[in-house]
Formats: sequence, structure tokens, C-alpha cells
Amino acid sequence: GDSVTQMEGPVTLSEEAFLTINCTYTATGYPSLFWYVQYPGEGLQLLLKATKADDKGSNKGFEATYRKETTSFHLEKGSVQVSDSAVYFCALWVPNFGNEKLTFGTGTRLTIIP
Amino acid sequence: DGGITQSPKYLFRKEGQNVTLSCEQNLNHDAMYWYRQDPGQGLRLIYYSQIVNDFQKGDIAEGYSVSREKKESFPLTVTSAQKNPTAFYLCASSLQGDEQYFGPGTRLTVT
Repeated sequence: GDSVTQMEGPVTLSEEAFLTINCTYTATGYPSLFWYVQYPGEGLQLLLKATKADDKGSNKGFEATYRKETTSFHLEKGSVQVSDSAVYFCALWVPNFGNEKLTFGTGTRLTIIP
Repeated sequence: DGGITQSPKYLFRKEGQNVTLSCEQNLNHDAMYWYRQDPGQGLRLIYYSQIVNDFQKGDIAEGYSVSREKKESFPLTVTSAQKNPTAFYLCASSLQGDEQYFGPGTRLTVT
């Protein structure tokens, strides 16, 4: 079945450090890939997405490139801020004739220290 | 403002009682979803509905029930048959199923 594997957290970085959160996937079809962010006590917010191979999604300084050859969608940011502290979820969605669903990774907790 | 509302934010119940969680959206989305989130875990799909008066079981439907009488509303009932109901419940909606928009969640505690 379809699955998403994320790097285990928690991840702790200093402000202005470079961020990478790894995400790899297994899918039977041609998935769309997503990164969602969850701030403490809140629901999930869509951060970025990519719908086909080599697409780059970007938002708020975050980027991720859909790599079909390595089945990966790693999240990156060049300079993190304290306000980026949250849990990040990688997810995939595969078209399936009305039976589609989002498959989520287990999430990576990120803490940025000043 | 368009969005998804869930109420209440916190809910406390005694074991053996059924409880209904509310989810309303004004995004004119056809599809709606219920997820359960436990500490340190990803989201698990409970039920989803792609059209009014129709819904399907997700991965962990046992002990839960839903209805979809209106496009805007998708309430979830946690029944006394759910063995471990304490969790954070998230509702989402989507126009086409892929890009989903989430509500703020309801934290249910059953003692």
C-alpha cells in the first residue's frame, strides 16, 4: 500500500540555521505530495505541494522538490526562525477513482531556539 | 471568512457515553473527512464523505459513526464501543480530495 516515511524527531536547531526534514514515499500510482504544518494546539495547515515529478513547491521560505527517481520530497528552509517551531507532516495522495485519501507520515517536531 | 469550524475545542465525557463532535464548512467543498491524532503519531482516517448522504469508512471506523445530511456539515459521533476514545479529532474538507483544509480540532477526553 501507499506509505510515507519521515525522519524521526524531534529536531532542534538554532535560529538562522539551515533546515532539512527528509520524506520518502511508496506509492502504486502517480501521487501528489504535500507538506502540512501543525502549530501547538491547532489543526494542520497546507504549507506546500507538488503534483508531478520535478515540480518544486514553495511557501514562506520553505521548499520541497518532487524527486521521482529517489521517491523523495524533502522539506528545506535556508534560515529558520523561532516562529517555525511546529510539527511538520509529509503526505501523499494518489488518484483512485473516487477512493482517494491522504496518507500521512508520523510527523517531525521542530524546535528553533533563539 | 471561509473556513472550517469545529466545536467544542475541548470536550470531556464519562466512559460509556456517546458524544458528537461538530464540523461545519463554508468553503462549498464536496468532500469532508474525519481524522484522529494521537501523541507522536500521524493522522488516521476515520470516515470520509464525497457527497451529501454518502460516506465511507476509513482506516479506523470501528466505534465511530457519521452523517452527511447537508453539504456544510459532517458530525462525528464517538460511541461507547470505541475502546480508546481520548484523542485529538480533526475535520477537513476538500474540493477534489487532494488539497485538504483542516479545522482547529477538538480534544476529547474520556474518563
